[in-house]
Amino acid sequence: DADVTQTPRNRITKTGKRIMLECSQTKGHDRMYWYRQDPGLGLRLIYYSFDVKDINKGEISDGYSVSRQAQAKFSLSLESAIPNQTALYFCATSEAGAEGRNTIYFGEGSWLTVV
Amino acid sequence: AQTVTQSQPEMSVQEAETVTLSCTYDTSESDYYLFWYKQPPSRQMILVIRQEAYKQQNATENRFSVNFQKAAKSFSLKISDSQLGDAAMYFCAYTHNNAGNMLTFGGGTRLMVKP
Repeated sequence: DADVTQTPRNRITKTGKRIMLECSQTKGHDRMYWYRQDPGLGLRLIYYSFDVKDINKGEISDGYSVSRQAQAKFSLSLESAIPNQTALYFCATSEAGAEGRNTIYFGEGSWLTVV
Repeated sequence: AQTVTQSQPEMSVQEAETVTLSCTYDTSESDYYLFWYKQPPSRQMILVIRQEAYKQQNATENRFSVNFQKAAKSFSLKISDSQLGDAAMYFCAYTHNNAGNMLTFGGGTRLMVKP
């Protein structure tokens, strides 16, 4: 099984619909992140969570919300999807401490198309 | 704010030849880390190499090496003996101590390998 699992892997949704992307991890890490990848822009941080009760906005949080249901689960929601939210979304996890030296584990990505 | 810039949207290399991908960054931090990630068509994010800013020695991992020029804030990736499997998107990324392992990414360079 993958260390970080994202569902769905691919989804097409309509403008105005609510969509949730789910992430679960088996690493036992406290820290979890959601990134968005767009061509030419690389990956940008949407939200991050350092533990179940600690959730913070990243660089591009507008239009998104998150829920940390448990240490292992971190979901990203688009309350009312719009076409410019069409992108590849990544969940990632890492251990606390030893900044920069810890391995960051990425999920396999969720490709979301909003039509 | 930290920024990471990859000025080459696309590069190509002949199989068995050497190619260098460029990355520059801007930061006011003194304790930071730089990374190169590979993203093949499978969408996985694969860590290629990591450099700690306080280490003067350039990191090397098999055919992959970096040229870290701290004063110039430059962090290029050299791929020697290029193989067809090296064809991918390559992202340069940065984090610093106390950043909670949150990464700032460059826009990416698509590397094509010609047989």
